[in-house]
Amino acid sequence: GENVEQHPSTLSVQEGDSAVIKCTYSDSASNYFPWYKQELGKRPQLIIDIRSNVGEKKDQRIAVTLNKTAKHFSLHITETQPEDSAVYFCAAPSNTGNQFYFGTGTSLTVIP
Amino acid sequence: DTEVTQTPKHLVMGMTNKKSLKCEQHMGHRAMYWYKQKAKKPPELMFVYSYEKLSINESVPSRFSPECPNSSLLNLHLHALQPEDSALYLCASSQEPGAEETQYFGPGTRLLVL
Repeated sequence: GENVEQHPSTLSVQEGDSAVIKCTYSDSASNYFPWYKQELGKRPQLIIDIRSNVGEKKDQRIAVTLNKTAKHFSLHITETQPEDSAVYFCAAPSNTGNQFYFGTGTSLTVIP
Repeated sequence: DTEVTQTPKHLVMGMTNKKSLKCEQHMGHRAMYWYKQKAKKPPELMFVYSYEKLSINESVPSRFSPECPNSSLLNLHLHALQPEDSALYLCASSQEPGAEETQYFGPGTRLLVL
């Protein structure tokens, strides 16, 4: 299966600061990279995704960058707020292209 | 309807019980998924249904039996489970099968096996 590494596993930031989470993948044929946010006791929810034909995508305070050469993609959250506290998962397609695998998750805490 | 729904929200069962988890979507999605999620871990894929046919079984023990009665419904039948099967069971769906399709998750069923 796909090997998706995610770092860091935990991240604490002060409210208003930025947070960056990084993922690396192994299959160079991968073309779609979603990010999910999962609040405690809730379902994973897609917050942003990127396809390999672009290097960056932004949606208000959230952005994702993709470096296909280096096989890594990152989630950037600016002006963090307490409600951004959650576990964030990246995902990348399997080498068969039939499914995607999740990273190990990053627990983000935004301190008011 | 733009959501995936799951019932029940919580389930407690003994190791000799038979129970079923249900998942429903009315978005016209043709792929549906079952995931298992343990605390502080990512979701792990169990089964994928593409156009109502089982397309992926990730070597799941036979005590878990999926069923797709129609394009909107997905069931997971449980029998003779073990305590280590206690977890959050998530259903998801996507417009089409494949790894480049966005998956939308249901709220999950939190299962406790005693």
